[in-house]
Amino acid sequence: GIQVEQSPPDLILQEGANSTLRCNFSDSVNNLQWFHQNPWGQLINLFYIPSGTKQNGRLSATTVATERYSLLYISSSQTTDSGVYFCAVASNFGNEKLTFGTGTRLTIIP
Amino acid sequence: DGGITQSPKYLFRKEGQNVTLSCEQNLNHDAMYWYRQDPGQGLRLIYYSQIVNDFQKGDIAEGYSVSREKKESFPLTVTSAQKNPTAFYLCASSPRQFYGYTFGSGTRLTVV
Repeated sequence: GIQVEQSPPDLILQEGANSTLRCNFSDSVNNLQWFHQNPWGQLINLFYIPSGTKQNGRLSATTVATERYSLLYISSSQTTDSGVYFCAVASNFGNEKLTFGTGTRLTIIP
Repeated sequence: DGGITQSPKYLFRKEGQNVTLSCEQNLNHDAMYWYRQDPGQGLRLIYYSQIVNDFQKGDIAEGYSVSREKKESFPLTVTSAQKNPTAFYLCASSPRQFYGYTFGSGTRLTVV
């Protein structure tokens, strides 16, 4: 099945800093989503972005499908941005099920 | 307000016992899912359902069972056949399969 690799595994930043999280995948995809899991376990969907660029406030995401990677940008980090960020993908050539990466744990220090 | 509710939040089970986790949604979503999360890991799909009275196995269905008798409800039973059931279980729903997820707040199951 498709492989998903996220980097870095852990990231610690001062409040106000910018960050870039990366998701590499092993096959061409027709579905790619970014999720945030807060420290209490609640997951929310951030972006559906199988290709192109999207922005939502301080967050933006870019997927370069031909090179099999996606980037999540967080600008002017706040402590509420802390948690784990997951990338999930579905291959063009398999079934539609999403495969999740192991996540990037982001800690924002006041 | 529409949402998805999982209960209980914490559950303790003795070895050899079956236990059922509840998941209810009032978002009128067709698709529902159960995921398992282990510490430091991503989510792994246990079962999913697109419509009432139909469901499919995910990647780690062994030792689990589900039912979908109503659109709003998708309970998960962790059976005694599941060798390592201690984990965080997440239920989700979406209007379209594998797109537009809303997650519940999770159930943390511990086998004692």
